Amino acid sequence: ILNVEQSPQSLHVQEGDSTNFTCSFPSSNFYALHWYRWETAKSPEALFVMTLNGDEKKKGRISATLNTKEGYSYLYIKGSQPEDSATYLCAFIRGAGGYQKVTFGTGTKLQVIP
Amino acid sequence: KAGVTQTPRYLIKTRGQQVTLSCSPISGHRSVSWYQQTPGQGLQFLFEYFSETQRNKGNFPGRFSGRQFSNSRSEMNVSTLELGDSALYLCASRLGDSGNTIYFGEGSWLTVV
Repeated sequence: ILNVEQSPQSLHVQEGDSTNFTCSFPSSNFYALHWYRWETAKSPEALFVMTLNGDEKKKGRISATLNTKEGYSYLYIKGSQPEDSATYLCAFIRGAGGYQKVTFGTGTKLQVIP
Repeated sequence: KAGVTQTPRYLIKTRGQQVTLSCSPISGHRSVSWYQQTPGQGLQFLFEYFSETQRNKGNFPGRFSGRQFSNSRSEMNVSTLELGDSALYLCASRLGDSGNTIYFGEGSWLTVV
């Protein structure tokens, strides 16, 4: 069983606060790490696709870093807004070709309080 | 470009019945995966199809099955429904095996009574 763990499971922050959460994954056979945002009543949408150790991606107020050697990725949200309220999922992709497998973490549920 | 389309969106079935859910991936995407989401659980992987072949399978009983057609459309079937099968079933498609972005449908909400 492949363990992809996300922490914390949930958090509440005040509007304007910055926050971050973690995705931990096995460091062997790494191919890619994705982050998705899943808003209520919508389908998950991709935020970042990260493939290289040391990758840093940014989209507006949201950024992510990747450490494949130690098996973790951080997602940062600067100046949280109510519209950031969602569940954030990471997906660990290992292997290549026909043996590639995708495993999702259980998610971090973020609630931004106005 | 049309997204991933799932039908039906909502359905109610009786315990013991069977159900078939349908998924049309994004045009050109050959990989289709199915996931189950239940309250308090993360996305549980059911199976993945690539070019009509089941490539990976999650840890679900044999009552859960699927298939993929030559046009990449996919169906999943659950036989002998149990109350615990009530869940959101998400279909996802991606282009291939190079770690591409995964695109999700809006899901099929199944309630078993």
